[in-house]
Amino acid sequence: DAGVTQSPTHLIKTRGQHVTLRCSPISGHKSVSWYQQVLGQGPQFIFQYYEKEERGRGNFPDRFSARQFPNYSSELNVNALLLGDSALYLCASSLEDSNNEKLFFGSGTQLSVL
Amino acid sequence: TQLLEQSPQFLSIQEGENLTVYCNSSSVFSSLQWYRQEPGEGPVLLVTVVTGGEVKKLKRLTFQFGDARKDSSLHITAAQPGDTGLYLCAGEDGAGNMLTFGGGTRLMVKP
Repeated sequence: DAGVTQSPTHLIKTRGQHVTLRCSPISGHKSVSWYQQVLGQGPQFIFQYYEKEERGRGNFPDRFSARQFPNYSSELNVNALLLGDSALYLCASSLEDSNNEKLFFGSGTQLSVL
Repeated sequence: TQLLEQSPQFLSIQEGENLTVYCNSSSVFSSLQWYRQEPGEGPVLLVTVVTGGEVKKLKRLTFQFGDARKDSSLHITAAQPGDTGLYLCAGEDGAGNMLTFGGGTRLMVKP
């Protein structure tokens, strides 16, 4: 079975532009989470969605938004890009939205903002 | 805001040596997870510890959760070059899948 897939793998944008990142969870997984990993740091939680509803939001500005579709895939949108948004964006999926669920991460989208 | 601090940040050792990585917080977590991440890849879960004082072993890796569930350690015995990577600890506070990650320990094992 395929793991968590993310697209695109790499992306270069300029300041002020908008970007959409996509994630397909493992088949049967209903929960999708997004994390931002700046070079040299650990991942930081952005959003969690379960059954198309937002279940959690990290400390990120309103320029960041996300949604989950009926097939459980998800999109992360970032508006008015800043240089500091350059990072690896990771998507993770799990079966349910409960404690101690095993998270499976995708390989990420490497975003560079110039 | 819950924070997890990992130490050391960087570790370069020779094959066959032992090492310990620490993960500390002032907050209590319902569980703590350890991940390993290689360049260009997402983190891969190694282990989850849930009970205070719990010890889990995964081949040459030993994981321990502190009695107060605020800290954890990862001990690697007889490190091998294949152990090279970024080791991340992550705490779960019981509110769904939101994880708080530490800054990571970058390990290099030289042959």
